Amino acid sequence: DTEVTQTPKHLVMGMTNKKSLKCEQHMGHRAMYWYKQKAKKPPELMFVYSYEKLSINESVPSRFSPECPNSSLLNLHLHALQPEDSALYLCASSQSSQTGFTDTQYFGPGTRLTVL
Amino acid sequence: GESVGLHLPTLSVQEGDNSIINCAYSNSASDYFIWYKQESGKGPQFIIDIRSNMDKRQGQRVTVLLNKTVKHLSLQIAATQPGDSAVYFCAENPPGSARQLTFGSGTQLTVLP
Repeated sequence: DTEVTQTPKHLVMGMTNKKSLKCEQHMGHRAMYWYKQKAKKPPELMFVYSYEKLSINESVPSRFSPECPNSSLLNLHLHALQPEDSALYLCASSQSSQTGFTDTQYFGPGTRLTVL
Repeated sequence: GESVGLHLPTLSVQEGDNSIINCAYSNSASDYFIWYKQESGKGPQFIIDIRSNMDKRQGQRVTVLLNKTVKHLSLQIAATQPGDSAVYFCAENPPGSARQLTFGSGTQLTVLP
């Protein structure tokens, strides 16, 4: 089973709203990722968590706040977003083995976010 | 700029024919490469990966070829089916960027009946 689930599938929010995106995996993976994808573009890395600790923040604006409550869950809290933040937000996970080799990242279906 | 790119943004093939999707990368020290398929409205789906100590790897109907001499990666799909229509992304893991993937710009594959 290589399933990563994301909720909600679609989200429409105003620029003053606070909302959260959720991601879950039960593969025992210890690395989890948030990506942003605009239409007809490749995914862009936002954050990486490794063993529940933030290891990479790709200079993402503070209106995006990630959280990793446990090894299976990853949240992305949204506040005061701009219309240009409208995109598909993808979660991914990988095994994060200690071998030094890069592990395969498995993606969820994404949350389609529209900021009005 | 991106270190991974694709030669063709779109590719159309007849159903039943073989497809070849190409990808160029610029970092000769990259040690891991991966192909994803993304259908409209869905997340990227893992197809196949290859490490730099290999030249070829085969899966079910797919083969990835790695030519380190010219820094070229290709994905071959045998007997292409309508369900193969999607955008295909290659990605690499450059050295010193643990768990970070650099994605190519993507190729839209359309399978014609």
